Amino acid sequence: DTGVSQDPRHKITKRGQNVTFRCDPISEHNRLYWYRQTLGQGPEFLTYFQNEAQLEKSRLLSDRFSAERPKGSFSTLEIQRTEQGDSAMYLCASSSVAGGLTDTQYFGPGTRLTVL
Amino acid sequence: AQSVTQLDSHVSVSEGTPVLLRCNYSSSYSPSLFWYVQHPNKGLQLLLKYTSAATLVKGINGFEAEFKKSETSFHLTKPSAHMSDAAEYFCVVGGTGFQKLVFGTGTRLLVSP
Repeated sequence: DTGVSQDPRHKITKRGQNVTFRCDPISEHNRLYWYRQTLGQGPEFLTYFQNEAQLEKSRLLSDRFSAERPKGSFSTLEIQRTEQGDSAMYLCASSSVAGGLTDTQYFGPGTRLTVL
Repeated sequence: AQSVTQLDSHVSVSEGTPVLLRCNYSSSYSPSLFWYVQHPNKGLQLLLKYTSAATLVKGINGFEAEFKKSETSFHLTKPSAHMSDAAEYFCVVGGTGFQKLVFGTGTRLLVSP
């Protein structure tokens, strides 16, 4: 069973640089989510895709953040002009439609971003 | 708006003693509730899920949780703690269909020999 994978696992960058993360969901899952987790806190929702359509974005997702899911498969999350406040663990999750019941979201290992 | 409150930031138990991690929820409709566990340097793993079926939900590794609507609680229990249970535990609320998951702030479980 191949779970959700994320790449890279760790990223260190300098303030002002752009970074891009990749998430590969479980293959039959049509829903994909991004969350951000800062130290000592629970994950916070960023955005959600159903197939290739981005259906919801959190207010946390400033205009420096952009996410894509071309062809409804893998997804990328790009942060432009990184700031020290962007340092966090970025988590990806995927799920499949479960007919009215809340989907179970399966999480990847995360990408830890450190902005110097 | 939906929210969860985890009442303890840290819980310490001895190996072999019972575990109780407390969670209260707030939801304007019948919620779906989850407990996830996060071990250091590992991803979030689903322990158990409540979706309006049986109010007592059994999960993996001997954990269970009871949904109590009158108390708006969803506490996580285990009869006997094991050293490998030491981790961060998150109580989570969602809704029907797509819903972003709303996480609590977490409870760190410490297990001493």
